[in-house]
Amino acid sequence: QQQVKQSPQSLIVQKGGIPIINCAYENTAFDYFPWYQQFPGKGPALLIAIRPDVSEKKEGRFTISFNKSAKQFSLHIMDSQPGDSATYFCAAKGALSGNTGKLIFGQGTTLQVKP
Amino acid sequence: NAGVMQNPRHLVRRRGQEARLRCSPMKGHSHVYWYRQLPEEGLKFMVYLQKENIIDESGMPKERFSAEFPKEGPSILRIQQVVRGDSAAYFCASSNPGEQYFGPGTRLTVT
Repeated sequence: QQQVKQSPQSLIVQKGGIPIINCAYENTAFDYFPWYQQFPGKGPALLIAIRPDVSEKKEGRFTISFNKSAKQFSLHIMDSQPGDSATYFCAAKGALSGNTGKLIFGQGTTLQVKP
Repeated sequence: NAGVMQNPRHLVRRRGQEARLRCSPMKGHSHVYWYRQLPEEGLKFMVYLQKENIIDESGMPKERFSAEFPKEGPSILRIQQVVRGDSAAYFCASSNPGEQYFGPGTRLTVT
């Protein structure tokens, strides 16, 4: 019930393409959904986050789409660039019993953007 | 503005030795989380601490693992009698609370 399922595991797109990464959750108590970007040998860095009271959020070339009824959310990267090649993680946290703010992560998606 | 600092960045231990991983949170942050990342997997929550208190250790293995966050100094994740399965990247994150900011991680290799 505390899982977050992420797909696809890996993704290859051409420069300028729009990769889409999907996540699904079961626990309706989750109320905060961040996306993290991780480069090899580095720690995850917060990219963008959304709460379930909105259906979409944009920050630069990154957009989160949120479907509360389906319990799914996705990351879209507009005009993707080779520098976007990284591993992307979705996560969730929320008002579970004894909420401590811990993040539940998806399995990760390795994105390669070809020049 | 220094971010979250972790040291060492790389640590090699033989089976049976102890590993100590240190995490200094961002300035002004008093909440620390530890996560473990196994190869080709996502991050798994281990423990959440505030100064001098363990708040949630539901993700910590019952044996050999311990964590502390003293009043002064960094948070420490301690692994006793390491085994090969402990080889992973260990990340800490700090918050105030709110957004969690991650450090660069410690990559532990057990030989």
